[in-house]
Amino acid sequence: DAGVIQSPRHEVTEMGQEVTLRCKPISGHNSLFWYRQTMMRGLELLIYFNNNVPIDDSGMPEDRFSAKMPNASFSTLKIQPSEPRDSAVYFCASSFSGGYTDTQYFGPGTRLTVL
Amino acid sequence: AQSVTQLDSQVPVFEEAPVELRCNYSSSVSVYLFWYVQYPNQGLQLLLKYLSGSTLVESINGFEAEFNKSQTSFHLRKPSVHISDTAEYFCAVSPIDSSYKLIFGSGTRLLVRP
Repeated sequence: DAGVIQSPRHEVTEMGQEVTLRCKPISGHNSLFWYRQTMMRGLELLIYFNNNVPIDDSGMPEDRFSAKMPNASFSTLKIQPSEPRDSAVYFCASSFSGGYTDTQYFGPGTRLTVL
Repeated sequence: AQSVTQLDSQVPVFEEAPVELRCNYSSSVSVYLFWYVQYPNQGLQLLLKYLSGSTLVESINGFEAEFNKSQTSFHLRKPSVHISDTAEYFCAVSPIDSSYKLIFGSGTRLLVRP
C-alpha cells in the first residue's frame, strides 16, 4: 500500500494568495483527518471526515480555511487568503473507521510557508 | 477537556543506555493513550497504545509504556536505545466520548549519541 499521499510536499506563497493542499487517503479507509503542526501550538486537529462527511470542524481556525472531501479517495484543505501565521506543516491522516481501535496513518505532510 | 504534558522537550542519551520519556495528562473523562514517533521529514507513526486491560503495553521495537491512572501518566521507556531511535516522540490521548480525536503533547526529541 502506498500509504497516505499528500501534495505538494512544500509550498511557498505570498500573503493573500490562495493555497490548496491535497490528500489521498489509504484505500478502504473511511475516516480522514487534517492536522496542523506549529512550534507554538503543536499538533492540532483541524477537521475530521467520516464517509466523506465533515463530522467535526471545530478545529478549523477561521473562515479563511475550508476543507472538502468530494469522494472517498481525495480531500483538499484550502486557505484563502493565506497569511504568514498560517505557516506550518499540515498533515493528513486516515483510518479504517475513526474508532478508538483504529490506527490513524499519517501522510508525510505539506510544509507551507507564507511570506 | 483534555491536555497532555511532555515536560522534556529534548532528551539526549548515549547509545545502549536506558531512556524514559515522560507523559502526563489531564482529562475529565476516561481516555485512551498513545505514543507516536516522527522521524525527520516524515509523518507520525503509531508506536504503541493503551486501550484497556494490562497497564503495560509494548511495541515491536523494544519500547514499552505503563498506564498509571492514579498519577495520570503514560511514560515511555526503552532499556537500551539505538542510534536509529533518534526521532521526536509524541504522547496523545483520545477521550472515550469522542474517540476519533487525538490530543497531542508538545513532543520530546530523543537524541541518541554514539
